[in-house]
Amino acid sequence: KQEVTQIPAALSVPEGENLVLNCSFTDSAIYNLQWFRQDPGKGLTSLLLIQSSQREQTSGRLNASLDKSSGRSTLYIAASQPGDSATYLCAVPSNTGKLIFGQGTTLQVKP
Amino acid sequence: DTGVSQDPRHKITKRGQNVTFRCDPISEHNRLYWYRQTLGQGPEFLTYFQNEAQLEKSRLLSDRFSAERPKGSFSTLEIQRTEQGDSAMYLCASSLETKGDEQYFGPGTRLTVT
Repeated sequence: KQEVTQIPAALSVPEGENLVLNCSFTDSAIYNLQWFRQDPGKGLTSLLLIQSSQREQTSGRLNASLDKSSGRSTLYIAASQPGDSATYLCAVPSNTGKLIFGQGTTLQVKP
Repeated sequence: DTGVSQDPRHKITKRGQNVTFRCDPISEHNRLYWYRQTLGQGPEFLTYFQNEAQLEKSRLLSDRFSAERPKGSFSTLEIQRTEQGDSAMYLCASSLETKGDEQYFGPGTRLTVT
């Protein structure tokens, strides 16, 4: 059974810092991995999707890496801003397509 | 295309009442998923449709829950005889065709059962 874990559960950093969020999964036979952002009381916004054949994906200040063999993904945020404050979730699809999520990392970027 | 939409955005109901939520997926998407999210947790899968066929249901989906997707377009999720434990955010997502396609989420429906 696939399990997804995110560490840390919460993170507080000063504005301008570079930071890394971690995601681990137990079954390395994945199709892809998605990173999402969720603002309080809102739905999920897809940030990046990494296919199983890829090692990383970049979008602006965000860079996501994937290491299937070790069951890990990281989301790197460069030059963090207060507007980056949100909960970040990673998820992998099961063999039927439903997403299995981690518990999320709540990020606070202080001005 | 305006993305996935959900209605209502918020619902407050008394215990024992029935509620129904609606999800309109992105128009060309064949797959539609329902998830539930409680405070401080990641979303948990409830059920999904491929066109109008409901192909998988989670054990979280008790007999009080029913979902439909008539004609493979919008979907409804009904909860009968609501309980306080049903209070959560109900999220809908859609994707193109296959199990590996990117899922796009709606804004969610926040349910509060008093």
